[in-house]
Amino acid sequence: AQKITQTQPGMFVQEKEAVTLDCTYDTSDQSYGLFWYKQPSSGEMIFLIYQGSYDEQNATEGRYSLNFQKARKSANLVISASQLGDSAMYFCAMREYYGNNRLAFGKGNQVVVIP
Amino acid sequence: KAGVTQTPRYLIKTRGQQVTLSCSPISGHRSVSWYQQTPGQGLQFLFEYFSETQRNKGNFPGRFSGRQFSNSRSEMNVSTLELGDSALYLCASSLDGYNEKLFFGSGTQLSVL
Repeated sequence: AQKITQTQPGMFVQEKEAVTLDCTYDTSDQSYGLFWYKQPSSGEMIFLIYQGSYDEQNATEGRYSLNFQKARKSANLVISASQLGDSAMYFCAMREYYGNNRLAFGKGNQVVVIP
Repeated sequence: KAGVTQTPRYLIKTRGQQVTLSCSPISGHRSVSWYQQTPGQGLQFLFEYFSETQRNKGNFPGRFSGRQFSNSRSEMNVSTLELGDSALYLCASSLDGYNEKLFFGSGTQLSVL
């Protein structure tokens, strides 16, 4: 069974600072994908970044980068140069491609960016 | 390109009633998934439809059902509502549902009184 763990408490981040959100996962599949989504107070889940289990390079999308450590089963999200609009819940998710192929989410991290 | 559209945005129902939620995926997307989000349980997978067929199903009781139409629009139905069904219901679409990101709608907030 899939399991995604996000254990950090809510975080306050100074504007323009970088923030790292931790995510560990558990799977016995060799082929899987890791995703990060952002959910602002409006409720919509916004895709941020994707990392495939066979990707050797860490994924980057603008100010977002994913620190993928496969042996540790870790997929931390790094947001550089935080902006006020980054205040939201952040969810780590995983999809096993030869397993049940459903997207399983962690409990999320609350981030508040302060000026 | 229009995003994923969910209607209605808010719903208030009473116990025992039934409810139908609607999801229009991004044009060209054939996979539609539904998720339930509650403060206690977080985001839980309900089911996925692809080309009008249920391809994947989560661990929810039979009161939760869905369907997909030929234009890929999907509906989710919950019968005999319980207080615990109060949640944000999110719909997500993708081209074929494999190895790619899901695009989510803003959700339907269901309150059961």
